[in-house]
Amino acid sequence: AQTVTQSQPEMSVQEAETVTLSCTYDTSESDYYLFWYKQPPSRQMILVIRQEAYKQQNATENRFSVNFQKAAKSFSLKISDSQLGDAAMYFCAHTGNQFYFGTGTSLTVIP
Amino acid sequence: GAVVSQHPSWVICKSGTSVKIECRSLDFQATTMFWYRQFPKQSLMLMATSNEGSKATYEQGVEKDKFLINHASLTLSTLTVTSAHPEDSSFYICSAKTGKRTEAFFGQGTRLTVV
Repeated sequence: AQTVTQSQPEMSVQEAETVTLSCTYDTSESDYYLFWYKQPPSRQMILVIRQEAYKQQNATENRFSVNFQKAAKSFSLKISDSQLGDAAMYFCAHTGNQFYFGTGTSLTVIP
Repeated sequence: GAVVSQHPSWVICKSGTSVKIECRSLDFQATTMFWYRQFPKQSLMLMATSNEGSKATYEQGVEKDKFLINHASLTLSTLTVTSAHPEDSSFYICSAKTGKRTEAFFGQGTRLTVV
């Protein structure tokens, strides 16, 4: 079975501070990709960052970076210098043959 | 690039009728499309995966006769909710991929209300 777990239903961060969102996954596949998507109130899914499982180097995308621990099947997202526009639901996702999402973390950014 | 257009964005239908939702990849060929259902403040629940020219693979618990999926071309997949009932009211989202291991691109979603 392939599952994606986000243990933090809600998180909050002060503007300009750093926050880390957690994600663990389980898969029987050896080759897969991991993603973080953002869903603002408009409900349009927006890709934040992706990580190829075969790459040891953690992906970074401007203020967003991941901590990928393959052995632990952990894939956390760090948002630096948080901005008000970062407030949204964040979903961790795993893809091999299908595309599964975690339960989501609602991020609030406090001015 | 990589735009996925979903139509309609919202629809209201009477109980017992059928409604079709379209998902189009506008600037790429989508070898695989996914259909999700999302309840308020919840995650995306994968309903089915469809590959162009073949039958959709439904997730456990999803009624294939109720949620008909057609992926007739590399740019179009449709989800038809047949004999809709109020409990089918939800937000439906499609996504598309170009290859086996790439990210998925999402449509804007369709809010279905069955009255």
